[in-house]
Amino acid sequence: DSGVTQTPKHLITATGQRVTLRCSPRSGDLSVYWYQQSLDQGLQFLIQYYNGEERAKGNILERFSAQQFPDLHSELNLSSLELGDSALYFCASSAHLGADEQYFGPGTRLTVT
Amino acid sequence: ILNVEQSPQSLHVQEGDSTNFTCSFPSSNFYALHWYRWETAKSPEALFVMTLNGDEKKKGRISATLNTKEGYSYLYIKGSQPEDSATYLCALSTSGTYKYIFGTGTRLKVLA
Repeated sequence: DSGVTQTPKHLITATGQRVTLRCSPRSGDLSVYWYQQSLDQGLQFLIQYYNGEERAKGNILERFSAQQFPDLHSELNLSSLELGDSALYFCASSAHLGADEQYFGPGTRLTVT
Repeated sequence: ILNVEQSPQSLHVQEGDSTNFTCSFPSSNFYALHWYRWETAKSPEALFVMTLNGDEKKKGRISATLNTKEGYSYLYIKGSQPEDSATYLCALSTSGTYKYIFGTGTRLKVLA
């Protein structure tokens, strides 16, 4: 158990809908990262937050947004969902910025029908 | 577009064999290189984070080296065991943007 929690574990929704994925980092970790793993692609970096501020942005679609709250938990909002958004979404946390080890949560499996 | 390449894509070895994999990356804008171990149906688990040219890190039977000037890192597993079977991922963190770019992984199967 990495200490990173993600909810829900599974989510099934229809195209056009909006969902929110939640992540609680390890106790004391200030950085949160979001990743997407689709069937036909490897792990893709979406976005990183550090202590409430956006730090780095990867291949995140405009339909997706994220935030990190004062208690350091983070939410990833996915809107106008398409079939291609079906994927496993991981959250990870690390202590600080920079070259720290990242600890991954168990992931949220999103299925868009 | 920055690309991180891993080779081989997959590997079968016998229990007790030693093995190694390669992660190649563009040497410009290097910030850090991460290695992860990813078992089926689980989450990636951090093995090493390496930042300095010539870095060598070791954890039990697994070790890694880094050459930032030529843009490669090697992961070594000594005396492979069936429980080492997993996908080994490397990820490049770039300076300036601090994005993470993952390789496609090396899938290792250790046969008992």
